[in-house]
Amino acid sequence: QIQLVQSGPELKKPGESVKISCKASGYTFTDYAMHWVKQAPGKGLKWMGWINTYTGKPTYADDFKGRFVFSLEASASTANLQISNLKNEDTATYFCARATPTGHWFAYWGQGTLVTVSS
Amino acid sequence: DIQMTQSPSFLSASVGDRVTLSCKASQNINKYLAWYQQKLGEAPKLLIYNANSLQTGIPSRFSGSGSGTDFTLTISSLQPEDVATYFCLQHNSWYTFGAGTKLELK
Repeated sequence: QIQLVQSGPELKKPGESVKISCKASGYTFTDYAMHWVKQAPGKGLKWMGWINTYTGKPTYADDFKGRFVFSLEASASTANLQISNLKNEDTATYFCARATPTGHWFAYWGQGTLVTVSS
Repeated sequence: DIQMTQSPSFLSASVGDRVTLSCKASQNINKYLAWYQQKLGEAPKLLIYNANSLQTGIPSRFSGSGSGTDFTLTISSLQPEDVATYFCLQHNSWYTFGAGTKLELK
């Protein structure tokens, strides 16, 4: 079955960097883009962008240009999200998500990775 | 950018009630709308796609309707396990989530 398994929680200080991974299984990794979604504590969901898992080309939503980098380890069926120069407002749960063969809605989600930024 | 407005923000209802949640788009999104249920500490779970198609495995008490700018998620008979926050997602032009409706038991 299709699974997206994310790395564990992270505790970081302001100014540090963090890298979150999302390992896919149960399908051909390069057939579907990988998306990233942010959820701040007690808040709603915000789409961050996506990475073409075939070409490696990332596309960032406007609010996530600059300190956010999507990357791949395609041989390991893994997508990564790196956030540099962490700020308090980066404290959130980050989800990876995948669309379906027949439409662009997200049917498959990772379990989420909580990143806490605190001095 | 397309904005999605959900109402109400909070809803308290009794077991067995018919519950209706609303999601409005700032411009026409055709039928490119999905509904998700999210319980505390979990990832969102897909309920409805293409505005009115029930995802496999989701109970038939959940239904969706609408097109264009106005959409509705209906729970025909509320069950205790339906306590959660519900989000809509437009995927007509990139992606935008609504702010969510938190559903509680009365």
